[in-house]
Amino acid sequence: KNQVEQSPQSLIILEGKNCTLQCNYTVSPFSNLRWYKQDTGRGPVSLTIMTFSENTKSNGRYTATLDADTKQSSLHITASQLSDSASYICVVSANQAGTALIFGKGTTLSVSS
Amino acid sequence: DSGVTQTPKHLITATGQRVTLRCSPRSGDLSVYWYQQSLDQGLQFLIQYYNGEERAKGNILERFSAQQFPDLHSELNLSSLELGDSALYFCASSVGTGHGSPLHFGNGTRLTVT
Repeated sequence: KNQVEQSPQSLIILEGKNCTLQCNYTVSPFSNLRWYKQDTGRGPVSLTIMTFSENTKSNGRYTATLDADTKQSSLHITASQLSDSASYICVVSANQAGTALIFGKGTTLSVSS
Repeated sequence: DSGVTQTPKHLITATGQRVTLRCSPRSGDLSVYWYQQSLDQGLQFLIQYYNGEERAKGNILERFSAQQFPDLHSELNLSSLELGDSALYFCASSVGTGHGSPLHFGNGTRLTVT
């Protein structure tokens, strides 16, 4: 069964600190992996998209890594800001031609001052 | 601003009723997707349209239906509503069929069934 598991479920950090969110997937055949940021009451916003051949991709203070062998991805946030408080969702595309996107339940990040 | 517009933002209705949610995709995007997000669940894919044609179907109930019109806007119809249908309904759009391009999400319609 295609699944995307994220950990931790929630995380609280102090402003200025770094953090890493994890995503493990059992999706086959793998096409690409995406990270989205969802602010409360808003739609998700794309942070990164990585294909099988990409190991890392950055978007400002966000850096995503992908290990296709172990089927793991991480999202590292550097020098966190209060505006980083949101839900971070890992999404895996299950095939080449279709649109079977498998969504994780997300990690809720709270950044406090 | 993602460029995807969803209306209405909030909807409160009673069980057994029927509602229509509307989505205008980002300019130039041909694909429209519908997702349901319940309180303790991740986003659940319902259905996708590409240039007016149904492209992919997810866990969409038979009580739910959708269509994409020639101007590319889309409507999601929910009928015989049940309490469990209360959720956030998101529309997303993309340029192609969604395989490699990012999805652009609207801010959702919050449906409350009482």
